Amino acid sequence: KQEVTQIPAALSVPEGENLVLNCSFTDSAIYNLQWFRQDPGKGLTSLLLIQSSQREQTSGRLNASLDKSSGRSTLYIAASQPGDSATYLCAVFNAGGTSYGKLTFGQGTILTVHP
Amino acid sequence: DAMVIQNPRYQVTQFGKPVTLSCSQTLNHNVMYWYQQKSSQAPKLLFHYYDKDFNNEADTPDNFQSRRPNTSFCFLDIRSPGLGDAAMYLCATSRVPAASYEQYFGPGTRLTVT
Repeated sequence: KQEVTQIPAALSVPEGENLVLNCSFTDSAIYNLQWFRQDPGKGLTSLLLIQSSQREQTSGRLNASLDKSSGRSTLYIAASQPGDSATYLCAVFNAGGTSYGKLTFGQGTILTVHP
Repeated sequence: DAMVIQNPRYQVTQFGKPVTLSCSQTLNHNVMYWYQQKSSQAPKLLFHYYDKDFNNEADTPDNFQSRRPNTSFCFLDIRSPGLGDAAMYLCATSRVPAASYEQYFGPGTRLTVT
């Protein structure tokens, strides 16, 4: 059974800092890994998707890396802004079997960026 | 823009009164998923449809049912909502097989049970 863990559970930083969010997973036979952002009371916004054959993906100030063999991913946020405050969720997709694959989520990291 | 739409965004129902949540998509994806997310918890997969093929997660209560009348629409029916069913319900879609298997999420429906 796939298990996804995110560390830290919460993070508070001053505006302008660079920060790293961590995600680990127990079953390395993943097809892809997605990072999502969730604002309070809202749905999920996909930030980055990394295929299992890739090592990293970048979008603006965000950079996500994947080390599939060790079961780890990091999300790097450069020059953080108050608007980055949200919960960040990591999810891994395991394909195969009769259920056409399953996305397993971590519990999330609650990020607060204060001015 | 192609998207995943959920209606209503907020739903209040009474204990034991059946409720239906709706999801529609313009992406023409063949897989549609329903997730339940309780406060401060990770989203949990309830079930999904691959075309018309229904796939239930082993631990999804019988109280939760789903219908997919066509490619674009999928419904979540809660037959007798309990207080413990108050949550955000998220619909997602993907195309299978595909290069990425990326899932696209709707904005969610927040269900309150009184």
